[in-house]
Amino acid sequence: DTGVSQDPRHKITKRGQNVTFRCDPISEHNRLYWYRQTLGQGPEFLTYFQNEAQLEKSRLLSDRFSAERPKGSFSTLEIQRTEQGDSAMYLCASSSGTSGRVEEQFFGPGTRLTVL
Amino acid sequence: AQSVAQPEDQVNVAEGNPLTVKCTYSVSGNPYLFWYVQYPNRGLQFLLKYITGDNLVKGSYGFEAEFNKSQTSFHLKKPSALVSDSALYFCAVRDARSNDYKLSFGAGTTVTVRA
Repeated sequence: DTGVSQDPRHKITKRGQNVTFRCDPISEHNRLYWYRQTLGQGPEFLTYFQNEAQLEKSRLLSDRFSAERPKGSFSTLEIQRTEQGDSAMYLCASSSGTSGRVEEQFFGPGTRLTVL
Repeated sequence: AQSVAQPEDQVNVAEGNPLTVKCTYSVSGNPYLFWYVQYPNRGLQFLLKYITGDNLVKGSYGFEAEFNKSQTSFHLKKPSALVSDSALYFCAVRDARSNDYKLSFGAGTTVTVRA
């Protein structure tokens, strides 16, 4: 399978714990995005990487959230001191950076986080 | 700022009938528009996009969408719906002037096609 993969698919944690999610984009895609989706809503943009550089962060991304993309390959999203309001589906997407073309984003299956 | 509105939470049609899912958008510049479909326990799947050119865009699984600049709309259509088209559909927009590539999504429309 050469699509976007995310791990874990499900995570249940207690309030106050830290969690980390991983995303593996489609190989050779240099752009990687994180979105958050809550029940009954569409995905909301969190952050965006071009290669290893984090170029955009939403105001939704509080200081408890941090994302990295070392070496421009896989990415991790960490949430510290989780709160019940963090419960959501966290989606990762990637797209190629072909110059002059507007590429669609390819989404992974998501990581569903439940904070108890 | 960029945003999308999907005015219908649910659309119900009989198999074989035409299907339309509505979307209107708001951007400062020109829009790039996308439709995605989400099946239960699966990620969003790309259906089609409008960048420029012909207002009628054809995509996967027999879907098409019509861009209407004067009405700021990008409605998704399928001439003859299938039961397997039952899913959650999202419209998304990106401002062509932006350099952050982020998509803004609507809240989604649940399509149910009855046999």
